[in-house]
Amino acid sequence: DQQVKQNSPSLSVQEGRISILNCDYTNSMFDYFLWYKKYPAEGPTFLISISSIKDKNEDGRFTVFLNKSAKHLSLHIVPSQPGDSAVYFCAAPPRGAGGTSYGKLTFGQGTILTVHP
Amino acid sequence: EPEVTQTPSHQVTQMGQEVILRCVPISNHLYFYWYRQILGQKVEFLVSFYNNEISEKSEIFDDQFSVERPDGSNFTLKIRSTKLEDSAMYFCASRTGGNQPQHFGDGTRLSIL
Repeated sequence: DQQVKQNSPSLSVQEGRISILNCDYTNSMFDYFLWYKKYPAEGPTFLISISSIKDKNEDGRFTVFLNKSAKHLSLHIVPSQPGDSAVYFCAAPPRGAGGTSYGKLTFGQGTILTVHP
Repeated sequence: EPEVTQTPSHQVTQMGQEVILRCVPISNHLYFYWYRQILGQKVEFLVSFYNNEISEKSEIFDDQFSVERPDGSNFTLKIRSTKLEDSAMYFCASRTGGNQPQHFGDGTRLSIL
């Protein structure tokens, strides 16, 4: 199942710089996307989401951009901090018939972000 | 902040034995999920549960798997006869509804010997 793909297994950035994590999707039925962060020995923690009616959503240091024509989204973290070091997953639920979605998430493979002090 | 709690954190079981993984979702949530992550692989959906019944399940969720919400607070995943390939992290998640995000527990590491 390759409907959501994160092609970069890892990313290393310097503290204070921008981190850009990328995600591509193939299913044009996806209309809502989420980013989760995961530390070792913990479950995924919700970070930020975006609906397909928007092309940008911002929450503090985190901004998600959506390019529907390219079926691509990206998560920007500015400025990056050592505590941001984690695995980042993009995920999408299916668009439900009649507007109802039970919301099962399809996850990308994850990108390991390392922020160096 | 309310959170999803899972017990045990680590379960070691002999192949062929039954195992029950337990979850307490966030109290006002309506939708419940189980996912698993085999080491080095993606997080995979297993089953969703709403209104006291399974709403969707994946092809992984065969007759050996079952879910239950016995008392309005716990949400359990049972594997009847475990196989070596069931070894994975199992995550429980819950959400309120609409486009609200799923909140995940910290997982149970299941090791089948």
